[in-house]
Amino acid sequence: QSALTQPASVSGSPGQWITISCAGTSSDVGAYNFVSWYQQHPGKAPKLLIFDVSHRPSGVSTRFSGSKSGNTASLTISGLQAEDEADYYCSSYTKTFTFVFGTGTKVTVL
Amino acid sequence: EVQLVESGGGLVQPGGSLRLSCAASGFTFRNFWMTWVRQAPGKGLEWVASMKQDGSEQYYVDSVEGRFTMSRDNIKNSLYLQMNSLRAEDTAVYYCARDGEWWGRYFDFWGQGTLVTVSS
Repeated sequence: QSALTQPASVSGSPGQWITISCAGTSSDVGAYNFVSWYQQHPGKAPKLLIFDVSHRPSGVSTRFSGSKSGNTASLTISGLQAEDEADYYCSSYTKTFTFVFGTGTKVTVL
Repeated sequence: EVQLVESGGGLVQPGGSLRLSCAASGFTFRNFWMTWVRQAPGKGLEWVASMKQDGSEQYYVDSVEGRFTMSRDNIKNSLYLQMNSLRAEDTAVYYCARDGEWWGRYFDFWGQGTLVTVSS
C-alpha cells in the first residue's frame, strides 16, 4: 500500500495551464479507471474534483480535467486562477479492495 | 444538503482507545459505502477504512488492521471508528467521507474532520 507518486509542487502564472502527474502501478492506477482527484485548501476538508479518471462532479469548473495512460494519471488545470492555489491529491482504488492516495502536490499561482 | 459531522477526537495516551463518530444527514445513509480518511499534521491524506452499506464488508489499511474497527448504524445514520492500541503515528485529523453513488470508487462528500492526538 505505497502512496502514489506526485510532484511535491507545481507552479504557474494566472491564465496558464499546469499538469499534475500521479504515478502508480498495475495494481492500482493501471488496474481500473477508478482514479479520483481532490483539492484541499489550508484548514479545509478535501473537495472532489474528478472521479473515474476524467469525470467532473456537478459544480466543478470545466478548467479541471483528468486523464490516464497506463499506470500514470494526470490532472490538468487550465486558465489558472488565484483560487486554484491549494494542495491536490490523486486517489486510486486497488486490486486488494483498498484505496491509496497520492503524496500530494502544492500548486502555487505566481 | 449532504452533511457529515465527526466527533469524538481528543488527546489520548499511547496504548489508549478512542471512538470516533460521524453523523450523516441529507442523504439515504444505508445506500452508501462509507470511508474514513486521516491526515497527520502537515502531511498528506491516508485512506484508513471503508465499509459496505450493510456492514458486511470492511477493508482497512495495513497499519491499522487489528487495532481499528469500523462500524455503522443505519438506523441512527451514523458511522463509527473504534481505535485501540493507539500510537503516536495515529495522530491526525480523521475525516468521514461518503463513497460515490452506485459503488463509486471515490469520495464525494467529506466531513470537517476531528483531531486525534496520541501523546503522553
